[in-house]
Amino acid sequence: GAVVSQHPSWVICKSGTSVKIECRSLDFQATTMFWYRQFPKQSLMLMATSNEGSKATYEQGVEKDKFLINHASLTLSTLTVTSAHPEDSSFYICSARGGRNQPQHFGDGTRLSIL
Amino acid sequence: DAKTTQPPSMDCAEGRAANLPCNHSTISGNEYVYWYRQIHSQGPQYIIHGLKNNETNEMASLIITEDRKSSTLILPHATLRDTAVYYCIVSHSGNTPLVFGKGTRLSVIA
Repeated sequence: GAVVSQHPSWVICKSGTSVKIECRSLDFQATTMFWYRQFPKQSLMLMATSNEGSKATYEQGVEKDKFLINHASLTLSTLTVTSAHPEDSSFYICSARGGRNQPQHFGDGTRLSIL
Repeated sequence: DAKTTQPPSMDCAEGRAANLPCNHSTISGNEYVYWYRQIHSQGPQYIIHGLKNNETNEMASLIITEDRKSSTLILPHATLRDTAVYYCIVSHSGNTPLVFGKGTRLSVIA
């Protein structure tokens, strides 16, 4: 089945640094990918829709200058958390649809811890 | 907001069938019912989806009522590894993002 790969799986960094998370569709092309965030004991919350070759669409309350999304190819979307602070610590998950009428598949997530 | 209602938690004995209900009374004619599960500290795993007809695959069966206002996910022989949060989601096909509710925390007990 369709596979979505995320890298890194976990990262710890100091407050003020920027962190880039990659999301790849391994065996299919994805014109659209989605980024979610999940805080402990909560459900997944949609952050943004990443569109290949165009600007991402952000959900209300998500700062586009804070969470930079680039979808430069049909198999890769990146999320950069700029000037990260402890409140940005969370589990970030991406997903992509394998094709028309195919379900979305999710990466294994990236656990981000900002000290 | 999520358009589904699920019980917050359920227990199931190992080896027995786990039947997870979901209410989606406002589902529209072209929306599908999707089921995913999330094991701790992993991304959600696709289980099954359907539009009107019942569906079965190697993981589970999906029973959708005739009026489509509710559905049941059936894990025929639950194992300890099926312990997870199960999410029922209604959504259009195509590139519509999935909106997650709180799901049902299924605990399979030995």
